Amino acid sequence: SQQGEEDPQALSIQEGENATMNCSYKTSINNLQWYRQNSGRGLVHLILIRSNEREKHSGRLRVTLDTSKKSSSLLITASRAADTASYFCATVNQGGSEKLVFGKGTKLTVNP
Amino acid sequence: EADIYQTPRYLVIGTGKKITLECSQTMGHDKMYWYQQDPGMELHLIHYSYGVNSTEKGDLSSESTVSRIRTEHFPLTLESARPSHTSQYLCATKKQGGKTEAFFGQGTRLTVV
Repeated sequence: SQQGEEDPQALSIQEGENATMNCSYKTSINNLQWYRQNSGRGLVHLILIRSNEREKHSGRLRVTLDTSKKSSSLLITASRAADTASYFCATVNQGGSEKLVFGKGTKLTVNP
Repeated sequence: EADIYQTPRYLVIGTGKKITLECSQTMGHDKMYWYQQDPGMELHLIHYSYGVNSTEKGDLSSESTVSRIRTEHFPLTLESARPSHTSQYLCATKKQGGKTEAFFGQGTRLTVV
């Protein structure tokens, strides 16, 4: 199957709680990116982590990358109802073509 | 704000018709991608391009074809639409370089009846 398998497939939490999503991939990567998609529309980029980085923060987002385990996690802290969306990880392969491959996504529901 | 446009947004068409989905960008990005996504499901890469006159098939086999004659345009064509082609098609662009993000259009929701 494709790279970037997210886990869990669906997650339902209460406002104020933290949400953690995991992603695994199979091949060598240049970087890994997380995107958000609202209601089947176009995706919006959230954060990028390079293969030589282990952790990155952006506002309420925290991303980790473990290249030895070929996995990444996205943590959203203090979640809000507006965070309800699908979240996808995507990997960019090494090499010039920069093929961008997405996983299956995690559907996050934040209940008010 | 990214300048990438997909037309049409919605298309309902009969079986056997030829269709072209348009994707245009004004950012001068070299990389462009087409993804197919069923509702609530994963994105499947069906075509990508890393520059003018350079296109590659993605991981999901598709009966569609693409062309990249100009940097700005990356149209996707189905010669003979079938109900199995019913899906959402998302176009994305990316600046060359490992540290760059992709920008997505709003998608074309295709229904073949």
